[in-house]
Amino acid sequence: QSVLTQPPSASGTPGQRVTISCSGSSSNIGSKTVNWYQQLPGTAPKLLIYSNNQRPSGVPDRFSGSKSGTSASLAISGLQSEDEADYYCAAWDDSLNGYVFGTGTKVTVL
Amino acid sequence: EVQLVESGGGLVKPGGSLRLSCAASGLTFSNAWMSWVRQAPGKGLEWVGRIKSKTDGGTTDYAAPVKGRFTISRDDSKNTLYLQMNSLKTEDTAVYYCTTGCRISGTYYPNAFDIWGQGTMVTVSS
Repeated sequence: QSVLTQPPSASGTPGQRVTISCSGSSSNIGSKTVNWYQQLPGTAPKLLIYSNNQRPSGVPDRFSGSKSGTSASLAISGLQSEDEADYYCAAWDDSLNGYVFGTGTKVTVL
Repeated sequence: EVQLVESGGGLVKPGGSLRLSCAASGLTFSNAWMSWVRQAPGKGLEWVGRIKSKTDGGTTDYAAPVKGRFTISRDDSKNTLYLQMNSLKTEDTAVYYCTTGCRISGTYYPNAFDIWGQGTMVTVSS
């Protein structure tokens, strides 16, 4: 049972904006930075956002991250068919002394 | 090109042992904090544990479900990471990935996993 909670699914039509939430606590999101990963079917995860809102080189600026208190969000603007994937938030947890992933959100492009 | 290649997966009976390896190339392995992440079939990602670089103490941390059964080690002379898995349970069945953090603009982010291997499948079944 993950300590970071995400909605199981999200969807949108091409061009729309989709937002994924990630709810945690003071021992993880509340005091640590959040990273986001994208996992396409059958492939290894890919780092999408690090340090709450930073994009690694090569990640389109359609992807953006934010954090407020014990929650974080990933927004995908201008949704494209290739964005159909599973998305995970993650952060270090001081209480568990370990890294925790969110429950994951499957994004479907309608 | 930076690359991580896992090996050693396979079928093992409950209670058995298995050792996974992760060969690294294209990065300064000795400076890297390395982690193992697993994914059970049809399930989400689960962090297994990590080992810091020797210059940062070389210490290990583990997730609760594997603590006491799994051991992470590294051989910097061989640029290789290991995961020794003992007392395996059916719930350990998963694809196991090795991964490491990233260095951006001179800052190292050990928990921002931007390099991943292709994964190796471990099946625990009688």
